[in-house]
Amino acid sequence: DTAVSQTPKYLVTQMGNDKSIKCEQNLGHDTMYWYKQDSKKFLKIMFSYNNKELIINETVPNRFSPKSPDKAHLNLHINSLELGDSAVYFCASSQEVVVGRGTYGYTFGSGTRLTVV
Amino acid sequence: GENVEQHPSTLSVQEGDSAVIKCTYSDSASNYFPWYKQELGKGPQLIIDIRSNVGEKKDQRIAVTLNKTAKHFSLHITETQPEDSAVYFCAAAAGRRALTFGSGTRLQVQP
Repeated sequence: DTAVSQTPKYLVTQMGNDKSIKCEQNLGHDTMYWYKQDSKKFLKIMFSYNNKELIINETVPNRFSPKSPDKAHLNLHINSLELGDSAVYFCASSQEVVVGRGTYGYTFGSGTRLTVV
Repeated sequence: GENVEQHPSTLSVQEGDSAVIKCTYSDSASNYFPWYKQELGKGPQLIIDIRSNVGEKKDQRIAVTLNKTAKHFSLHITETQPEDSAVYFCAAAAGRRALTFGSGTRLQVQP
């Protein structure tokens, strides 16, 4: 009955490989996000999807490609992994309370620790 | 875009004391200010939030204040307990934009 679940929890891979992280939410939220947390704990937005539509795409290398097959799922695929991609990646979801007034109450997953060696 | 600054980066208090964490934001359009607690190995968890039409909100031992004119907001934890030890993040967002987080405060409550 986990609200936002990510898999895998840990991912160790070699430079140059391609990997995917999956995220699913069972809260009925209409917006999902990917955040990257670096070694200094800084949380930075990468992507945001609303009802399967990309609405935020920050300055992220195009090796990162999000995919949302439905509003409950948001996956992150990373091509040609580099050492600097090592971080913890968090998926989150939220619900727009009033149309156009923004979303509140993000719920985060437990994170995927990616280590590129 | 929004820029959120958070201070202090580390905070050590004795059990039972109060702890205060302060944040400033840059975008006057921001209207939502949540606070998150992150324990080791876990994702950030929402502990309290405030919207721009409210100046203060309290939930048991935690309270948040917002000064829109000065563009700053603060988290107050009273009667701290060892289980309050964690990293705390402030954040801000305007409309449908994603949350911009502060850099985090590591709070240590000494028994």
